[in-house]
Amino acid sequence: IQLTQSPSFLSASVGDRVTITCRASQDISSYLAWYQQKPGKAPKLLIYAASTLQSGVPSRFSGSGSGTEFTLTISSLQPEDFATYYCQQLNSYPYGFGQGTKLEIK
Amino acid sequence: QVQLVESGGGVVQPGESLRLSCAASGFTFSRYGMHWVRQAPGKGLECVAFIRYDGTNKNYADSVKGRFTISRDNSKNTLYLQMNSLRPEDAAVYYCLREVWDSSGRGSFDYWGQGTLVTVSS
Repeated sequence: IQLTQSPSFLSASVGDRVTITCRASQDISSYLAWYQQKPGKAPKLLIYAASTLQSGVPSRFSGSGSGTEFTLTISSLQPEDFATYYCQQLNSYPYGFGQGTKLEIK
Repeated sequence: QVQLVESGGGVVQPGESLRLSCAASGFTFSRYGMHWVRQAPGKGLECVAFIRYDGTNKNYADSVKGRFTISRDNSKNTLYLQMNSLRPEDAAVYYCLREVWDSSGRGSFDYWGQGTLVTVSS
């Protein structure tokens, strides 16, 4: 199963609303997670089952979708949100990741 | 609190072997499936190997099948990755992580170690 994220790079300002899309090459139901990774750090789980917010993650993060198309939305960007974001499918092993979306400060 | 601490990374030449370890604490290790995921410098994430909570099922990425072996010792709360016939393209940070599934069948990788760097170079 291939995952394609768009865009690969995103430039935005603090306070902006941003959306990242992840498309799967086949139906993965809701077996999708989103992670945030900052330089030199391990990825951090943000959302699982496409739309369930991981405990402790700010509510400005939200996820939606099912089947083959999914989105991660950050409602109002904060300085600490500038990072790289990955989607991941957990429908079948290997649990592949998207290529990543690097969110940069405009 | 849940902790996953990898060790065993280093610099090796192509064709050599290395064994990574991951010491788990803060949870009942024997109840969770565990994974190794790697990330080459400046690149994305790749699932490398998975082992079921009791060690009875293992899966591998095609890129490492036949060369890498995942194992675990539940009495020592430790996960391992034996890497043989290493290639330059295996160079990466290797993360140990826990797979969790809730009662509704929703899964994720909820805890990650800090990673250990493997360099393969002549």
